[in-house]
Amino acid sequence: GAGVSQSPSNKVTEKGKDVELRCDPISGHTALYWYRQSLGQGLEFLIYFQGNSAPDKSGLPSDRFSAERTGGSVSTLTIQRTQQEDSAVYLCASSRRSLAGAIGGELFFGEGSRLTVL
Amino acid sequence: AQSVTQPDIHITVSEGASLELRCNYSYGATPYLFWYVQSPGQGLQLLLKYFSGDTLVQGIKGFEAEFKRSQSSFNLRKPSVHWSDAAEYFCAVGAGILFGNEKLTFGTGTRLTIIP
Repeated sequence: GAGVSQSPSNKVTEKGKDVELRCDPISGHTALYWYRQSLGQGLEFLIYFQGNSAPDKSGLPSDRFSAERTGGSVSTLTIQRTQQEDSAVYLCASSRRSLAGAIGGELFFGEGSRLTVL
Repeated sequence: AQSVTQPDIHITVSEGASLELRCNYSYGATPYLFWYVQSPGQGLQLLLKYFSGDTLVQGIKGFEAEFKRSQSSFNLRKPSVHWSDAAEYFCAVGAGILFGNEKLTFGTGTRLTIIP
């Protein structure tokens, strides 16, 4: 597609359930990033992929959070046993090269997946 | 650790008036600095970025920003705003990009409202 696609756009779930959020990056973009945007907060870095590898997982809040990327393309962010504090907008971004590789290139963001945990 | 402060949560400006959005960062060396805009129902879009060289950088949509090392600031400006500029604006710093650190630290954003 022309831009970064994320699904679902909205997800309401009950506390304790697992959720999967999907990101389809721009074709040919090797770098992929997940950020979280909570109400009144800035964007919080979660994880970075280069190809299918995740060199930096330092932002994942707990072991309930995991992410994978397959085929150097689609990525899935999984949150297990969701808690109310997980409610946020989860943003995915992709870039043709890494920020380091392109001297701070440009991230292209999707519209996000809004997660509400009741 | 790097940090970014956007002191203004919400700014209201008349259409046609000038605009300045403030951004202060905390980092020992020269950081990589970015401004992103988030319009309703859209993803974040890069307005401009600074790495080195000329401290006044030009971006898209008529925006510019000036890096001032002495003030640790990277304020965003536009001489005359349009109603379509109403959006949320985020300043971001990438302090470790040169060393392979891909993490950007974002400020909490400034919501811009334009009045006729």
